[in-house]
Amino acid sequence: AQSVTQLDSQVPVFEEAPVELRCNYSSSVSVYLFWYVQYPNQGLQLLLKYLSGSTLVESINGFEAEFNKSQTSFHLRKPSVHISDTAEYFCAVSEILSYGKLTFGQGTILTVHP
Amino acid sequence: DAGVIQSPRHEVTEMGQEVTLRCKPISGHNSLFWYRQTMMRGLELLIYFNNNVPIDDSGMPEDRFSAKMPNASFSTLKIQPSEPRDSAVYFCASSSKLADTDTQYFGPGTRLTVL
Repeated sequence: AQSVTQLDSQVPVFEEAPVELRCNYSSSVSVYLFWYVQYPNQGLQLLLKYLSGSTLVESINGFEAEFNKSQTSFHLRKPSVHISDTAEYFCAVSEILSYGKLTFGQGTILTVHP
Repeated sequence: DAGVIQSPRHEVTEMGQEVTLRCKPISGHNSLFWYRQTMMRGLELLIYFNNNVPIDDSGMPEDRFSAKMPNASFSTLKIQPSEPRDSAVYFCASSSKLADTDTQYFGPGTRLTVL
């Protein structure tokens, strides 16, 4: 069975600073990788995903994540954060041959201060 | 597409009452997932269906919880009888492996309060 570990439960940063949210996973089979974002009082929204090909994937709002197979990691980064990025971020994996079940990490609350 | 639709958005009920949460997945999606989110336990997968068939219900906390998917466009999660510890936000999500490679699309959630 697969598992996901998000190493930081809370990450406070100042506006315009860079940020990295860490995610490690374990699985005995090939996986797809996802980052979801949850803004207060809303459902989860897909931020970006890695399926195959280039190990660096980007979102439309400036986030990027790099799949590192040797380190089994999928860390999320942004070079300059905004107040509006304040949210909870979830890393998730699914096994390629599964029914689409996602295993989620515990979540990281990103708080951007002015 | 309207996205995943959940109803009601908010439900307040008294302990012992039956609660039914409803979900309409995105048209064409063949997998449906029910989650529960609380501050204490985070996001928990309760049950999921593939082609209307329950695949794994190991996350359902007790026999008080039951879920059905009578057709591809509708699912219910029922709690009978409800208890205060069932208070949480319940999310429904749907996905299609063929159309969008396991990407799950979440509904807005139902905030359940059991008094």
